Amino acid sequence: KAGVTQTPRYLIKTRGQQVTLSCSPISGHRSVSWYQQTPGQGLQFLFEYFSETQRNKGNFPGRFSGRQFSNSRSEMNVSTLELGDSALYLCASSSGTTPNYGYTFGSGTRLTVV
Amino acid sequence: DQQVKQNSPSLSVQEGRISILNCDYTNSMFDYFLWYKKYPAEGPTFLISISSIKDKNEDGRFTVFLNKSAKHLSLHIVPSQPGDSAVYFCAASESWGADGLTFGKGTHLIIQP
Repeated sequence: KAGVTQTPRYLIKTRGQQVTLSCSPISGHRSVSWYQQTPGQGLQFLFEYFSETQRNKGNFPGRFSGRQFSNSRSEMNVSTLELGDSALYLCASSSGTTPNYGYTFGSGTRLTVV
Repeated sequence: DQQVKQNSPSLSVQEGRISILNCDYTNSMFDYFLWYKKYPAEGPTFLISISSIKDKNEDGRFTVFLNKSAKHLSLHIVPSQPGDSAVYFCAASESWGADGLTFGKGTHLIIQP
C-alpha cells in the first residue's frame, strides 16, 4: 500500500512569505502528525490531527498552524517566514490506536528560507 | 531541557557483532518508547516499540530493553549488517495517540566491514 506522501519535496521561500505544505497519510490512517527537523534541535513535534481535530500541539509559535481534511489529508502552514524556519518538515501517520506499528513518516519537505 | 537523550552521537561496530544503542529519559510519565532508523534524504522508519509495562521486546535481529528505575532503554542489533548503517532515534510518548513523540538527537551507527 502507498506510504505517506509529502509535497513538495523542496521549497525555497523568502523571509516574510508564507508557505503551505501537504501530507497524504497511509490509507485508513486517521492520525497525522507534523515534525520539524533541524541540525541543532533535532526532531521536534509540531502538532497532531485526528479525525480533523487538533489533538495536541508542541511548543511552536502561532505562525505554525495546520488542518486536516475529511479524507485525512493534512496541510501545514507557516506564516511570516523567518530564516530559522529553514528545516526538514516531516509528516507521520498512524492508525492512532496502537503503538505497535509506530508512526510511518514521509520523506519530508525541505524548506529553505532566504 | 532535553527529556530524551542519546549521549553517543556516533557508534562504530564491526559487521557481525552486536550493536548497542543507548537512550536515557527524564520524564517519568513516558509510557511508550520507540526506535526509528533514518537514512539521509528519507523520513525515519519505525523499528520497534516497547510499553512501560514490559522490560523487553524482540523483533528479529532487534531487541529493545527498558529499565524504568534507571529511566534507560537500549536497542540491541544482532548480528549487525552493513545495511544497518544509519542514524537511530529513540522516541518517547506519554500516552499513545494523544501526544506527539519526543525524540532524542540520534546516534549515527556505522557498521564496519
